[in-house]
Amino acid sequence: GENVEQHPSTLSVQEGDSAVIKCTYSDSASNYFPWYKQELGKRPQLIIDIRSNVGEKKDQRIAVTLNKTAKHFSLHITETQPEDSAVYFCAARFNDMRFGAGTRLTVKP
Amino acid sequence: DVKVTQSSRYLVKRTGEKVFLECVQDMDHENMFWYRQDPGLGLRLIYFSYDVKMKEKGDIPEGYSVSREKKERFSLILESASTNQTSMYLCASKDSVSNTEAFFGQGTRLTVV
Repeated sequence: GENVEQHPSTLSVQEGDSAVIKCTYSDSASNYFPWYKQELGKRPQLIIDIRSNVGEKKDQRIAVTLNKTAKHFSLHITETQPEDSAVYFCAARFNDMRFGAGTRLTVKP
Repeated sequence: DVKVTQSSRYLVKRTGEKVFLECVQDMDHENMFWYRQDPGLGLRLIYFSYDVKMKEKGDIPEGYSVSREKKERFSLILESASTNQTSMYLCASKDSVSNTEAFFGQGTRLTVV
């Protein structure tokens, strides 16, 4: 099955700085790459996704880039705010859905 | 409003007990998933199902089984609970179209004593 690796496991930034989380995947058939945010005590929720025919997608302060040749994709958060503090998971999907191990992002005010 | 509901938020069971975790979705989704979440290990796929009565093993199926008798319900069964199965269990569902969002339940925190 798919193997998804995510780095870093923890990330601490100052409010207003940018944060970048990176993921690699193994199955070249994967064609859908979502990012989920999980706040403390809550369920994971989709924040942005990208499909394999697109190289970059942006939604306000968050963006995702995909490099299919290298089999890696990244989440970029600009102008970080304390409410961005959460655990972020990447995933890669063809038929099933595998997640990375998660990144705990802390935004210090 | 999309809804995936897990039957229990917290559960405490004894070693050796048979445990049922239930998940119900109201979106007529074909695909359903069970994950366990442990610190530092992320969301690990236990089992998934494409349709009624169909099931596929994920990465960590040992010690677990599943049942999908109706489209809206996907049950995770611990045949004989052990302390190393203490964890947060998350159910998710999505429709069969590949590139669509999966929706999660609120999670069941299972403690095996």
